[in-house]
Amino acid sequence: DQQVKQNSPSLSVQEGRISILNCDYTNSMFDYFLWYKKYPAEGPTFLISISSIKDKNEDGRFTVFLNKSAKHLSLHIVPSQPGDSAVYFCAAKDGNYGGATNKLIFGTGTLLAVQP
Amino acid sequence: AAGVIQSPRHLIKEKRETATLKCYPIPRHDTVYWYQQGPGQDPQFLISFYEKMQSDKGSIPDRFSAQQFSDYHSELNMSSLELGDSALYFCASRTRQGYNEQFFGPGTRLTVL
Repeated sequence: DQQVKQNSPSLSVQEGRISILNCDYTNSMFDYFLWYKKYPAEGPTFLISISSIKDKNEDGRFTVFLNKSAKHLSLHIVPSQPGDSAVYFCAAKDGNYGGATNKLIFGTGTLLAVQP
Repeated sequence: AAGVIQSPRHLIKEKRETATLKCYPIPRHDTVYWYQQGPGQDPQFLISFYEKMQSDKGSIPDRFSAQQFSDYHSELNMSSLELGDSALYFCASRTRQGYNEQFFGPGTRLTVL
């Protein structure tokens, strides 16, 4: 049962345009969401996160939006750069466990290709 | 800035052999997580430790065990290896002091022949 879903396995965007990566979740107990970027043969790199009490968090070219009623979040990258080409994972933390564990539940990832 | 260190980066083993993966967290990080990522799959949580005690357990086979040592490094021990154990194994660390972000190491690629 995939609790975090990224329905687009891949996305292609022109350099300078906006990239929008989407993520849906099913567990209403998730209280924190994170986006990671992953290059081949490397570990996931933390990008940006958002608490469930917020609906937007911005960090430079990266903005994450959270719609709790729809159980949906999205990552916007603007402007997109060729170096952004990577697999992007959405991850969620289950707040039901408090601070005892904080294990992350990952989506299946979206491969972003930014064309020069 | 110091990152999470994992060793070895690559490991090739035969079926039924044992393997030990090591993880050195970011300095002052007290919590360590292990994840397994199979080919074309998302990372799956295996086990976590906080202050040298197991804090949570996920889909980790009984053939696997792990521990966290006094210097906060962790080792994942895998016995009776099976072909299906071939995967990327990531270690992540965080500090319990109010942060939810986990920082990942580069991973160990285990190939079981």
